[in-house]
Amino acid sequence: ETGVTQTPRHLVMGMTNKKSLKCEQHLGHNAMYWYKQSAKKPLELMFVYNFKEQTENNSVPSRFSPECPNSSHLFLHLHTLQPEDSALYLCASSLQAAVYNEQFFGPGTRLTVL
Amino acid sequence: GESVGLHLPTLSVQEGDNSIINCAYSNSASDYFIWYKQESGKGPQFIIDIRSNMDKRQGQRVTVLLNKTVKHLSLQIAATQPGDSAVYFCAETFQGAQKLVFGQGTRLTINP
Repeated sequence: ETGVTQTPRHLVMGMTNKKSLKCEQHLGHNAMYWYKQSAKKPLELMFVYNFKEQTENNSVPSRFSPECPNSSHLFLHLHTLQPEDSALYLCASSLQAAVYNEQFFGPGTRLTVL
Repeated sequence: GESVGLHLPTLSVQEGDNSIINCAYSNSASDYFIWYKQESGKGPQFIIDIRSNMDKRQGQRVTVLLNKTVKHLSLQIAATQPGDSAVYFCAETFQGAQKLVFGQGTRLTINP
């Protein structure tokens, strides 16, 4: 185990649903990340939080809304998603939000939008 | 723009053989490179990294080679084992960058 947990592991939702993904890290890190992993595409950074403050929004549509209440928890709130949003959503953490800091990934949430 | 790519999407090797996975990058300013392993149902896992002031770095059964002249990175896995079956992808970045740039990945399968 990497010390980063994600729930749920699988999620199926309709386009009008509202759901949330949860990530928790037990590593004492201060930075947390959301990534999207689609089939046959490179890993895409979505959001970065450093010490609970959002430091990066990689042009993500507003139907994805992140929340970081503390350095250990990260949420991704989903609303009116599209079928093309179906993907594996990965959470990661690192000591700080510096690119040279090793990132530890959770197992991901497999999201299917119908 | 910057891109990190892989020469082959799949690689099949015999158990016990050595595996070589390649990665090309386009940003000559990149100075830090990472190889990740992603097993089925799991998130990416750091394997080994290398900085641009080195051309080779060795770990346990893995070696990363960096050729800055042709902007090429490779991961060599010695004596490939069934547990090495996974998708491998590289990532690059540079000082001052806000994020890592990831390659698409190569699926390594091991034949018994």
